[in-house]
Amino acid sequence: DTEVTQTPKHLVMGMTNKKSLKCEQHMGHRAMYWYKQKAKKPPELMFVYSYEKLSINESVPSRFSPECPNSSLLNLHLHALQPEDSALYLCASSRTPGLDNEQFFGPGTRLTVL
Amino acid sequence: QKEVEQNSGPLSVPEGAIASLNCTYSDRGSQSFFWYRQYSGKSPELIMFIYSNGDKEDGRFTAQLNKASQYVSLLIRDSQPSDSATYLCAVNGYGNKLVFGAGTILRVKS
Repeated sequence: DTEVTQTPKHLVMGMTNKKSLKCEQHMGHRAMYWYKQKAKKPPELMFVYSYEKLSINESVPSRFSPECPNSSLLNLHLHALQPEDSALYLCASSRTPGLDNEQFFGPGTRLTVL
Repeated sequence: QKEVEQNSGPLSVPEGAIASLNCTYSDRGSQSFFWYRQYSGKSPELIMFIYSNGDKEDGRFTAQLNKASQYVSLLIRDSQPSDSATYLCAVNGYGNKLVFGAGTILRVKS
């Protein structure tokens, strides 16, 4: 199994809603990542989990809250988002967080904030 | 100066030609380099990675790395219309973070 899965594929939410994005991989990878991608822009790193511990937070607003319940799962909890947070949210994983480990992306969740 | 630079394109090549995509990076300490292909509305797909100076070939794709000149390139031989996509160069640098270039749009015309 060489796949990273993400649910849901699409999400529409209001600014007062609370929702969660889910990411799962069964490749035994020990590093997992959340990226945000706006249209016609490259992915921007948000968070890195290394061996289930948060190792990098790229100064992301607190309305985004990551969680890594176990080595296969990564969640991103959303609360009080703004319309400018609408984007494609990508999860990725790599074997370890080392310099030479390739990151594999899931299909993404397209988020629209009304 | 941006950390990873790519020509945004679009780069247009006829079917069957060689497409050459280039990328330069600023961090001399960078050690690993990746090329991702991204179709419109889809997520990035890893197509090549290279760690050592020189060429690395995989099917129709060749990645070339020159650390002294701080550039990495991707050659696509026998380009097909299905190769039309945005190609993202990514460099693993300080803090083990993957830094992406803005991407080059490739259009292969049949």
